[in-house]
Amino acid sequence: AQSVAQPEDQVNVAEGNPLTVKCTYSVSGNPYLFWYVQYPNRGLQFLLKYITGDNLVKGSYGFEAEFNKSQTSFHLKKPSALVSDSALYFCAVRDIRNTGKLIFGQGTTLQVKP
Amino acid sequence: DAGITQSPRHKVTETGTPVTLRCHQTENHRYMYWYRQDPGHGLRLIHYSYGVKDTDKGEVSDGYSVSRSKTEDFLLTLESATSSQTSVYFCAISESAWQGGKNTEAFFGQGTRLTVV
Repeated sequence: AQSVAQPEDQVNVAEGNPLTVKCTYSVSGNPYLFWYVQYPNRGLQFLLKYITGDNLVKGSYGFEAEFNKSQTSFHLKKPSALVSDSALYFCAVRDIRNTGKLIFGQGTTLQVKP
Repeated sequence: DAGITQSPRHKVTETGTPVTLRCHQTENHRYMYWYRQDPGHGLRLIHYSYGVKDTDKGEVSDGYSVSRSKTEDFLLTLESATSSQTSVYFCAISESAWQGGKNTEAFFGQGTRLTVV
């Protein structure tokens, strides 16, 4: 069975500092991994994805994520946080052996303080 | 924005009544998903579809059924609504589940807020 874990309910960071939002996954085959962001009272917006190739993937709004197969992790990062980055972030995984099932983690609230 | 429309956007219903939520897409994407979002639980998959009349259960499918008779519509039915089904429901679509020149990421609708009293 595929699953995703986001171990932190909330991450607090000061504006201008680097941020990391953690994600670990479990699949039986090779994973497709995704990060999404949700602003209050909105749907989810796609940020970036890992399918294959370079372990460091870059996405929207200056975000990037690092795929680590040995640690089954896909942490979201940004070199310099903005107050406007404050939102709810979701990691998701799709097992390529499965019929397109897409599973999300519990979400991590990112709070960036001025 | 991807062409996804959820209806209704808000609904209040009584316990024991059947409720149907509709997801309509204009993107001709193969995959469609229904999720519910609850505080502390994140986004949980209810059912998904990988083609017309091809559906499968997700993590929290009890009390829900789905139907997909054509590519553009994916219906979620609460057979007999209960207070535990009060939630925000999101529909999502995806062109492909595997790479091959097609997008694999999912796009989300704006959500339906359902209250069961």
